[in-house]
Amino acid sequence: EADIYQTPRYLVIGTGKKITLECSQTMGHDKMYWYQQDPGMELHLIHYSYGVNSTEKGDLSSESTVSRIRTEHFPLTLESARPSHTSQYLCASSATSGRRGDEQFFGPGTRLTVL
Amino acid sequence: AQSVTQLGSHVSVSEGALVLLRCNYSSSVPPYLFWYVQYPNQGLQLLLKYTSAATLVKGINGFEAEFKKSETSFHLTKPSAHMSDAAEYFCAVSSGGYNKLIFGAGTRLAVHP
Repeated sequence: EADIYQTPRYLVIGTGKKITLECSQTMGHDKMYWYQQDPGMELHLIHYSYGVNSTEKGDLSSESTVSRIRTEHFPLTLESARPSHTSQYLCASSATSGRRGDEQFFGPGTRLTVL
Repeated sequence: AQSVTQLGSHVSVSEGALVLLRCNYSSSVPPYLFWYVQYPNQGLQLLLKYTSAATLVKGINGFEAEFKKSETSFHLTKPSAHMSDAAEYFCAVSSGGYNKLIFGAGTRLAVHP
Protein backbone atom coordinates (compact mmCIF):
# COMPACT_ATOMS: atom_id res chain seq x y z
CA GLU A 1 0.00 0.00 0.00
CA ALA A 2 1.22 3.46 -0.90
CA ASP A 3 2.28 5.54 2.06
CA ILE A 4 2.45 9.20 1.26
CA TYR A 5 1.29 11.77 3.74
CA GLN A 6 0.39 15.42 3.54
CA THR A 7 -0.21 17.87 6.35
CA PRO A 8 -2.23 19.86 7.02
CA ARG A 9 -5.25 18.54 5.14
CA TYR A 10 -6.98 21.90 5.33
CA LEU A 11 -5.49 25.34 5.94
CA VAL A 12 -7.19 28.72 6.12
CA ILE A 13 -4.77 31.59 6.47
CA GLY A 14 -4.59 35.34 6.03
CA THR A 15 -2.82 37.23 3.27
CA GLY A 16 0.89 37.75 3.76
CA LYS A 17 1.52 34.76 6.00
CA LYS A 18 4.31 32.32 5.34
CA ILE A 19 3.15 28.72 5.02
CA THR A 20 4.76 25.35 4.53
CA LEU A 21 2.88 22.35 3.21
CA GLU A 22 4.40 19.08 4.31
CA CYS A 23 4.75 15.93 2.21
CA SER A 24 6.42 12.70 3.28
CA GLN A 25 6.63 9.24 1.78
CA THR A 26 7.88 5.98 3.27
CA MET A 27 8.42 4.06 0.03
CA GLY A 28 11.98 5.19 -0.63
CA HIS A 29 11.00 6.78 -3.92
CA ASP A 30 13.55 9.10 -5.50
CA LYS A 31 11.05 11.05 -7.61
CA MET A 32 8.56 13.40 -5.98
CA TYR A 33 6.10 15.91 -7.42
CA TRP A 34 3.81 18.77 -6.42
CA TYR A 35 0.62 19.45 -8.35
CA GLN A 36 -1.85 22.32 -8.07
CA GLN A 37 -5.50 21.53 -8.69
CA ASP A 38 -8.27 24.13 -8.83
CA PRO A 39 -11.86 22.88 -8.26
CA GLY A 40 -13.13 20.92 -11.24
CA MET A 41 -9.90 21.40 -13.13
CA GLU A 42 -6.95 19.29 -14.18
CA LEU A 43 -3.79 18.89 -12.17
CA HIS A 44 -0.85 21.07 -13.09
CA LEU A 45 2.72 20.13 -12.19
CA ILE A 46 4.40 22.97 -10.29
CA HIS A 47 7.55 21.30 -8.90
CA TYR A 48 9.37 18.01 -9.10
CA SER A 49 12.48 16.39 -7.74
CA TYR A 50 14.45 13.38 -8.90
CA GLY A 51 16.49 13.02 -5.75
CA VAL A 52 18.06 14.69 -2.74
CA ASN A 53 19.24 18.24 -3.43
CA SER A 54 17.58 18.33 -6.86
CA THR A 55 14.45 20.34 -7.61
CA GLU A 56 12.94 21.60 -10.83
CA LYS A 57 10.06 23.87 -11.74
CA GLY A 58 7.10 22.26 -13.41
CA ASP A 59 4.93 23.23 -16.32
CA LEU A 60 2.80 25.74 -14.37
CA SER A 61 4.59 28.77 -12.99
CA SER A 62 4.27 29.03 -9.22
CA GLU A 63 5.49 31.47 -6.60
CA SER A 64 6.05 28.60 -4.21
CA THR A 65 9.42 27.01 -3.53
CA VAL A 66 10.41 23.47 -2.57
CA SER A 67 13.34 21.72 -0.98
CA ARG A 68 14.58 18.13 -0.89
CA ILE A 69 17.19 17.53 1.77
CA ARG A 70 15.90 14.07 2.67
CA THR A 71 14.62 11.40 0.31
CA GLU A 72 11.33 11.00 2.16
CA HIS A 73 10.49 14.69 2.64
CA PHE A 74 9.45 17.28 0.01
CA PRO A 75 7.94 20.40 1.61
CA LEU A 76 6.42 23.29 -0.33
CA THR A 77 6.69 26.86 0.97
CA LEU A 78 4.87 30.07 0.17
CA GLU A 79 6.74 33.05 1.62
CA SER A 80 3.75 35.39 1.45
CA ALA A 81 0.37 33.83 0.81
CA ARG A 82 -2.16 35.61 -1.41
CA PRO A 83 -5.79 34.84 -2.31
CA SER A 84 -4.62 33.74 -5.78
CA HIS A 85 -2.80 30.85 -4.06
CA THR A 86 -6.11 29.38 -2.92
CA SER A 87 -6.18 25.87 -4.38
CA GLN A 88 -5.65 22.20 -3.63
CA TYR A 89 -2.05 21.01 -3.56
CA LEU A 90 -1.30 17.35 -4.21
CA CYS A 91 2.00 15.64 -3.57
CA ALA A 92 3.06 12.45 -5.38
CA SER A 93 6.02 10.13 -5.67
CA SER A 94 7.17 7.42 -8.06
CA ALA A 95 9.67 4.61 -8.09
CA THR A 96 13.29 4.94 -9.02
CA SER A 97 13.36 2.81 -12.14
CA GLY A 98 13.16 5.86 -14.39
CA ARG A 99 10.70 4.23 -16.76
CA ARG A 100 7.94 6.46 -18.07
CA GLY A 101 5.39 3.81 -17.16
CA ASP A 102 6.03 4.04 -13.43
CA GLU A 103 2.93 4.78 -11.41
CA GLN A 104 2.76 7.95 -9.34
CA PHE A 105 1.37 7.54 -5.84
CA PHE A 106 -0.60 10.49 -4.50
CA GLY A 107 -1.12 11.90 -1.06
CA PRO A 108 -4.57 13.05 0.12
CA GLY A 109 -3.88 16.70 -0.69
CA THR A 110 -3.89 20.00 1.20
CA ARG A 111 -6.76 22.37 0.54
CA LEU A 112 -5.42 25.90 1.04
CA THR A 113 -7.63 28.94 1.42
CA VAL A 114 -6.03 32.38 1.65
CA LEU A 115 -8.33 35.13 2.87
CA ALA B 1 4.60 17.62 -26.90
CA GLN B 2 2.06 15.47 -25.12
CA SER B 3 -1.54 16.41 -24.30
CA VAL B 4 -4.75 14.78 -23.16
CA THR B 5 -8.37 15.62 -23.98
CA GLN B 6 -11.25 14.18 -22.00
CA LEU B 7 -14.58 14.55 -23.78
CA GLY B 8 -17.40 15.36 -21.40
CA SER B 9 -16.72 17.07 -18.11
CA HIS B 10 -19.81 15.41 -16.61
CA VAL B 11 -21.23 11.96 -17.31
CA SER B 12 -24.36 10.60 -15.64
CA VAL B 13 -25.42 6.95 -15.77
CA SER B 14 -27.93 4.73 -14.05
CA GLU B 15 -26.77 2.09 -11.63
CA GLY B 16 -26.10 -1.08 -13.63
CA ALA B 17 -25.57 0.76 -16.91
CA LEU B 18 -22.42 0.83 -19.00
CA VAL B 19 -19.83 3.44 -18.07
CA LEU B 20 -17.84 5.00 -20.92
CA LEU B 21 -15.37 7.81 -20.22
CA ARG B 22 -13.51 9.17 -23.21
CA CYS B 23 -9.85 10.09 -23.46
CA ASN B 24 -7.85 11.13 -26.51
CA TYR B 25 -4.15 11.81 -26.38
CA SER B 26 -1.47 13.48 -28.42
CA SER B 27 2.08 12.25 -28.13
CA SER B 28 5.22 12.59 -30.21
CA VAL B 29 6.61 9.37 -28.72
CA PRO B 30 4.95 6.02 -27.95
CA PRO B 31 2.58 6.94 -25.16
CA TYR B 32 2.30 5.62 -21.65
CA LEU B 33 -1.26 6.25 -20.51
CA PHE B 34 -2.97 6.20 -17.14
CA TRP B 35 -6.43 6.47 -15.64
CA TYR B 36 -6.73 7.77 -12.10
CA VAL B 37 -9.82 8.15 -9.90
CA GLN B 38 -10.31 10.85 -7.27
CA TYR B 39 -12.97 10.58 -4.59
CA PRO B 40 -14.08 13.73 -2.75
CA ASN B 41 -11.42 15.25 -0.52
CA GLN B 42 -8.90 12.56 -1.40
CA GLY B 43 -5.84 12.17 -3.57
CA LEU B 44 -5.68 10.25 -6.82
CA GLN B 45 -5.69 6.47 -7.03
CA LEU B 46 -4.44 4.55 -10.06
CA LEU B 47 -7.14 2.57 -11.87
CA LEU B 48 -5.00 1.18 -14.68
CA LYS B 49 -2.13 1.99 -17.00
CA TYR B 50 -0.99 1.19 -20.54
CA THR B 51 2.72 0.69 -21.08
CA SER B 52 2.89 -0.82 -24.60
CA ALA B 53 2.00 -4.37 -23.62
CA ALA B 54 -1.57 -5.61 -24.23
CA THR B 55 -3.86 -3.03 -25.80
CA LEU B 56 -6.76 -4.03 -23.54
CA VAL B 57 -5.84 -3.15 -19.99
CA LYS B 58 -7.78 -4.37 -16.98
CA GLY B 59 -7.74 -2.35 -13.79
CA ILE B 60 -9.24 -2.29 -10.37
CA ASN B 61 -12.94 -2.16 -9.49
CA GLY B 62 -13.97 -3.79 -12.78
CA PHE B 63 -12.69 -1.00 -15.04
CA GLU B 64 -10.82 -1.57 -18.25
CA ALA B 65 -9.47 0.57 -21.08
CA GLU B 66 -8.48 -0.14 -24.67
CA PHE B 67 -5.54 1.56 -26.35
CA LYS B 68 -6.32 2.38 -30.00
CA LYS B 69 -3.34 3.89 -31.75
CA SER B 70 -5.25 4.63 -34.97
CA GLU B 71 -7.78 6.69 -33.01
CA THR B 72 -5.27 8.04 -30.45
CA SER B 73 -7.76 7.01 -27.80
CA PHE B 74 -7.71 5.32 -24.42
CA HIS B 75 -11.34 5.20 -23.32
CA LEU B 76 -12.30 3.82 -19.91
CA THR B 77 -15.22 1.43 -19.57
CA LYS B 78 -17.07 -0.57 -16.96
CA PRO B 79 -19.92 -2.93 -17.92
CA SER B 80 -22.13 -2.16 -14.93
CA ALA B 81 -21.97 1.03 -12.89
CA HIS B 82 -22.16 0.96 -9.12
CA MET B 83 -23.08 3.82 -6.83
CA SER B 84 -19.58 3.71 -5.38
CA ASP B 85 -18.12 4.56 -8.82
CA ALA B 86 -19.27 8.16 -8.46
CA ALA B 87 -16.04 10.19 -8.52
CA GLU B 88 -13.76 12.30 -10.71
CA TYR B 89 -11.75 10.42 -13.32
CA PHE B 90 -8.53 11.69 -14.86
CA CYS B 91 -6.70 10.44 -17.91
CA ALA B 92 -2.96 11.17 -18.09
CA VAL B 93 -0.02 10.66 -20.42
CA SER B 94 3.59 10.31 -19.34
CA SER B 95 5.69 13.16 -20.65
CA GLY B 96 9.38 13.07 -21.28
CA GLY B 97 11.89 12.32 -18.59
CA TYR B 98 11.41 12.06 -14.84
CA ASN B 99 8.05 10.35 -15.41
CA LYS B 100 6.11 13.62 -15.45
CA LEU B 101 2.38 13.26 -16.10
CA ILE B 102 0.15 15.48 -18.23
CA PHE B 103 -3.46 15.29 -17.04
CA GLY B 104 -6.75 15.84 -18.79
CA ALA B 105 -9.37 18.15 -17.29
CA GLY B 106 -11.21 15.25 -15.69
CA THR B 107 -14.69 13.76 -16.02
CA ARG B 108 -17.07 13.74 -13.10
CA LEU B 109 -19.12 10.55 -13.08
CA ALA B 110 -22.51 10.56 -11.38
CA VAL B 111 -24.38 7.31 -10.79
CA HIS B 112 -28.08 7.49 -9.99
CA PRO B 113 -30.40 4.76 -8.77
